[in-house]
Amino acid sequence: QSALTQPASVSGSPGQSISISCTGTGSDVGGYNVVSWYQQHPAKAPKLIIYEVNKRPSGVSNRFSGSKSGNTASLTISGLQPDDEADYYCCSYAGGGVVFGGGTKVTVL
Amino acid sequence: QVQLVESGGGVVQPRTSLRLSCAASKFTFRNYGVHWVRQAPGKGLEWLAVISYDGTKTYYADSVEGRFTISRDNSKNTLYLEMNSLRPEDTAVYYCAKDRGGWGKYGMDVWGQGTTVSVSS
Repeated sequence: QSALTQPASVSGSPGQSISISCTGTGSDVGGYNVVSWYQQHPAKAPKLIIYEVNKRPSGVSNRFSGSKSGNTASLTISGLQPDDEADYYCCSYAGGGVVFGGGTKVTVL
Repeated sequence: QVQLVESGGGVVQPRTSLRLSCAASKFTFRNYGVHWVRQAPGKGLEWLAVISYDGTKTYYADSVEGRFTISRDNSKNTLYLEMNSLRPEDTAVYYCAKDRGGWGKYGMDVWGQGTTVSVSS
């Protein structure tokens, strides 16, 4: 149960697109199409923004999109907005339980 | 609206026990898997445990296996986490989170506000 690997930080200017990678193994990310992504603002509970690799819950902006190739999943935020500044976590089913990534701090310049 | 409310956190001494509760409302609790997730101060999210919709399957993170026990009472719409032999490194905000499916692998779409546990002598 090793944590998935995410970059510690990613930044971009308003209107730009950024991507966050999430690397695991064949026992988690690569083995199942059940990767989810969460957004967390300071002192708030996490919020689901992507599930099952590339599906968006109702009410989540279509500026958020997800994908997966092999053992690496990715979250793309297009048209970056000030409110997108937050921490982002990936999570994958791992054959029983789940495992989170270490988190990525997104800064809007 | 759909809601989860945790309770039971507090300040406790090392090597003692604590039980957290998570009360669910406005959804059919018995149909969904539920997780416990924690976040130590200034750190990332750490998954702890999941229980299936009917309570027959449970899975734990290596870090808490044997010390923590997840359980549920579907008649009371409540999830529990029994924590034993607490250590200072268990200090964190503890969240319960509803899964989108019954077996706890499809993504956590509803989260509680969290309850804080502090383990200190």
